[in-house]
Amino acid sequence: DGGITQSPKYLFRKEGQNVTLSCEQNLNHDAMYWYRQDPGQGLRLIYYSQIVNDFQKGDIAEGYSVSREKKESFPLTVTSAQKNPTAFYLCATNNPGGARTGNTIYFGEGSWLTVV
Amino acid sequence: AQSVSQHNHHVILSEAASLELGCNYSYGGTVNLFWYVQYPGQHLQLLLKYFSGDPLVKGIKGFEAEFIKSKFSFNLRKPSVQWSDTAEYFCAGPLSGSARQLTFGSGTQLTVLP
Repeated sequence: DGGITQSPKYLFRKEGQNVTLSCEQNLNHDAMYWYRQDPGQGLRLIYYSQIVNDFQKGDIAEGYSVSREKKESFPLTVTSAQKNPTAFYLCATNNPGGARTGNTIYFGEGSWLTVV
Repeated sequence: AQSVSQHNHHVILSEAASLELGCNYSYGGTVNLFWYVQYPGQHLQLLLKYFSGDPLVKGIKGFEAEFIKSKFSFNLRKPSVQWSDTAEYFCAGPLSGSARQLTFGSGTQLTVLP
């Protein structure tokens, strides 16, 4: 959690608009993730990136896009194609295979997106 | 098939009762396993983790978990719960086919009645 900054914390979007959620980390972690949290459904993986300029789709990537131009940044765009965008979005980082921390994932504080 | 599964979606206990939350994973290789907790209105925190060695792992706030390789399980336990343990608990383990990526179970909401 410390060292991962998500913004904005709360965001309202009109239907049909794209919005971008920011995630910045100063932990020097290689991997970054975006999860979506909905009541009763736990955490679902949207996209993840293991290194700069590379990212992979998670379980629910449709309607989302990401970029990883810098190691410390992994912005998520929620497009108008996402049918149910209202949710809590969590950014996370880790160093897979790190000697001291293993696969421990660290989370940001999250962003609430509401479509009005 | 889900890589990490939690079978209990909502557990309700009285204070001082014992707790066991189930977690099963499907990856057959070397695993790192975790339990995270999310208290109401707060973000996710690490409770405990298993990398190797002693299969009984102690975490914060009196929680422990036991890694049983033969059962592909990593159940979370606490001998006596408190009202302040009311939270959502997530198990995390390797994404199927990749030990390097973590995936989460669907979560278990624990409600402890005073």
